[in-house]
Amino acid sequence: GESVGLHLPTLSVQEGDNSIINCAYSNSASDYFIWYKQESGKGPQFIIDIRSNMDKRQGQRVTVLLNKTVKHLSLQIAATQPGDSAVFFCAESYGNNRLAFGKGNQVVVIP
Amino acid sequence: KAGVTQTPRYLIKTRGQQVTLSCSPISGHRSVSWYQQTPGQGLQFLFEYFSETQRNKGNFPGRFSGRQFSNSRSEMNVSTLELGDSALYLCASSSHSGGSWYEQYFGPGTRLTVT
Repeated sequence: GESVGLHLPTLSVQEGDNSIINCAYSNSASDYFIWYKQESGKGPQFIIDIRSNMDKRQGQRVTVLLNKTVKHLSLQIAATQPGDSAVFFCAESYGNNRLAFGKGNQVVVIP
Repeated sequence: KAGVTQTPRYLIKTRGQQVTLSCSPISGHRSVSWYQQTPGQGLQFLFEYFSETQRNKGNFPGRFSGRQFSNSRSEMNVSTLELGDSALYLCASSSHSGGSWYEQYFGPGTRLTVT
């Protein structure tokens, strides 16, 4: 498969445990934030998004938290499964359908 | 509904050559964005097309160009290839027409290797 990235921060998680992935964004004017998951050989896949007027949003097994004061975004994955092994990217949108991506975090789920 | 498709999936070129990559968006999507993904720089925005017009452009040299056709299919071209252009090139489509951001759907990418 494709090599998504080298030297990425890696989070090793035991199957069934919760995962927390952190991201610092750069632009205080960003009004939309997205988490993507990228598996080997595939393009990024949308997980969850959040607008800047919110500080928390929940999806299925995932929660995104936004702290605009410190420009920090986090993704919480509940009951991590082997299929969650991937690279996770945060992205910020600062207008007009343009995304700026973070470097990515590699999540490795240990069975 | 079919997803975003990109062709070719893999490509090997030599320095100095040029290359054209193709992207077919999801049916009904009029916005197509291109990104370059490398281990060192991560995912970087190249440009976005909407209704055959380039609407946004990232910080890449003029060797990188693109276009969009009336059926929303898009191509990107890289001229005078350099070794540093080796990357995964991703295309994303959305139904975005203006204003707030809309979800982008990514294709599998084209892996370009420049030797």
